[in-house]
Amino acid sequence: TQLLEQSPQFLSIQEGENLTVYCNSSSVFSSLQWYRQEPGEGPVLLVTVVTGGEVKKLKRLTFQFGDARKDSSLHITAAQPGDTGLYLCAGEDSNSGYALNFGKGTSLLVTP
Amino acid sequence: NAGVTQTPKFRILKIGQSMTLQCAQDMNHNYMYWYRQDPGMGLKLIYYSVGAGITDKGEVPNGYNVSRSTTEDFPLRLELAAPSQTSVYFCASTKAPQFYEQYFGPGTRLTVT
Repeated sequence: TQLLEQSPQFLSIQEGENLTVYCNSSSVFSSLQWYRQEPGEGPVLLVTVVTGGEVKKLKRLTFQFGDARKDSSLHITAAQPGDTGLYLCAGEDSNSGYALNFGKGTSLLVTP
Repeated sequence: NAGVTQTPKFRILKIGQSMTLQCAQDMNHNYMYWYRQDPGMGLKLIYYSVGAGITDKGEVPNGYNVSRSTTEDFPLRLELAAPSQTSVYFCASTKAPQFYEQYFGPGTRLTVT
């Protein structure tokens, strides 16, 4: 199993602050996905990054895939209470029907 | 659109009991997965299926069984429940391998006491 390490595990910030979440591995991934999960629900896809060095923006969220395709980051600008949730990075495992290997997640709390 | 549905939403089992967690999708996806999520541990793969009649073990298959008789349904069977199986179980499906979004059900919260 290809391990994905996420940091930080917990993050509590005030509305308007910026933050970055990191996802690192010693393995090369063909792609990485970021999911967001709210309490009592399943994860929902935010973005898929495929090309090394790729940067994708989704409103206030910026996702980056490392040049060597071993790491990724999620940056949120001017966080809002609606950004509160669990952020999970995941890489596909071609040996298991392209099931996802997940990091342990970053739990984000944004307070007004 | 229903997407991926799971039943039940919650369940409490006694040690040694058995149950089946139901999962169905209406998107005609060939690939389906069962994950479990424990606090602070992310999601771990239990079993997966690449099409009707084809299933295989994931990272944590012990104590579970699956079947895939149709494209739509992918039930997970727990035999002789143990406290270690207390977890939240998610079923997911995807259209095709590589780069495609996995769609997750709302989960089943299982407690074994």
